[in-house]
Amino acid sequence: AQSVTQLGSHVSVSEGALVLLRCNYSSSVPPYLFWYVQYPNQGLQLLLKYTSAATLVKGINGFEAEFKKSETSFHLTKPSAHMSDAAEYFCAVSREGSQGNLIFGKGTKLSVKP
Amino acid sequence: NAGVTQTPKFQVLKTGQSMTLQCAQDMNHNSMYWYRQDPGMGLRLIYYSASEGTTDKGEVPNGYNVSRLNKREFSLRLESAAPSQTSVYFCASSVRAGFGTEAFFGQGTRLTVV
Repeated sequence: AQSVTQLGSHVSVSEGALVLLRCNYSSSVPPYLFWYVQYPNQGLQLLLKYTSAATLVKGINGFEAEFKKSETSFHLTKPSAHMSDAAEYFCAVSREGSQGNLIFGKGTKLSVKP
Repeated sequence: NAGVTQTPKFQVLKTGQSMTLQCAQDMNHNSMYWYRQDPGMGLRLIYYSASEGTTDKGEVPNGYNVSRLNKREFSLRLESAAPSQTSVYFCASSVRAGFGTEAFFGQGTRLTVV
């Protein structure tokens, strides 16, 4: 069965520091993977999507993620955190077959300290 | 450019009451979804509609019903609300139901059942 595991329910970094949010997936077929961001009291917004075209995927707001098949990982990074990056981040995998819905991880809340 | 619109944004119900959550999208998408978000649980799929005229159960359908009214609208009904249904509900849509398709989310409905 497919699944997504996000390591760390809460990550705290200082402004200007590297952001690293971890995501590991399980899938019996080559996966489609997504990162979404949720700002307080808002809906989810797509940050980036992996479609097998390139292992390093660049998204919005300076975020990027690298697909590593050998590690079954899709970690999200940003070189320098900004206060506005404080939000909850969700990793998701596309469900196999024709259903097309997403299987989400439990989320990682990112705090940014001044 | 509204995208996915959900109403209401907040609701408090008493145990046993019924209500319908409304969702409409203006992106001409074929597929629509209802998720619930609970702390530490990520998002879980309740029901989805791959295309107009079809609906299917997701991971957590018990206690809910849905109606795909037309291509734009997909409603979620709680017939007899229970405290366990206290949650944030998100409607989403996608161009099609298919492997690898990203979803676009509404702003959510925060429901409390007392």
